Amino acid sequence: DTGVSQDPRHKITKRGQNVTFRCDPISEHNRLYWYRQTLGQGPEFLTYFQNEAQLEKSRLLSDRFSAERPKGSFSTLEIQRTEQGDSAMYLCASSLAASGVRNEQYFGPGTRLTVT
Amino acid sequence: SQKIEQNSEALNIQEGKTATLTCNYTNYSPAYLQWYRQDPGRGPVFLLLIRENEKEKRKERLKVTFDTTLKQSLFHITASQPADSATYLCALDQAAGNKLTFGGGTRVLVKP
Repeated sequence: DTGVSQDPRHKITKRGQNVTFRCDPISEHNRLYWYRQTLGQGPEFLTYFQNEAQLEKSRLLSDRFSAERPKGSFSTLEIQRTEQGDSAMYLCASSLAASGVRNEQYFGPGTRLTVT
Repeated sequence: SQKIEQNSEALNIQEGKTATLTCNYTNYSPAYLQWYRQDPGRGPVFLLLIRENEKEKRKERLKVTFDTTLKQSLFHITASQPADSATYLCALDQAAGNKLTFGGGTRVLVKP
């Protein structure tokens, strides 16, 4: 399967612990996005990368959140000192950015985080 | 303030009929609008993209319209089937970075 993959699919952690999620985009895609989705809501943009450069971060992304995309391939999203309000589905998406062309985003299955 | 509104009530529809979903937005000027389908426990799946200078786009049984004066998009599923049951999300694509701003989604249930 050559789609977007995310690991783990589910994570249960205690409040105050750190967690890290991984996203592997479609190999030829140069853009990678992170979104967060809570029950009954649409996904909310968190941040995106073009190749290895992080080009935009949402104001939703507090300083407890950090994302990286070393070498422009896979990406990690780390949440430090988790809070119960961080419980959500974390979605990764990738797309191919090309001049003059608007492309859709391909989403992974998500990582469901539960903070107890 | 900026808002994207989709009907939060589920749409129950009989198989074979046309489902029509609305997406209204305020204080945005999207260059593009995208529609996605999401099944429970899964990530969204792209369906259609429409540009601000296009009035209508079709793909198989799906049709999308985009009215930048009314600030509204309509999404139609014709000859609906039970397999079309899912949540449908509209997303504004505001050009810079291709990041998407999603509405809350509308759940569609097609009954046989």
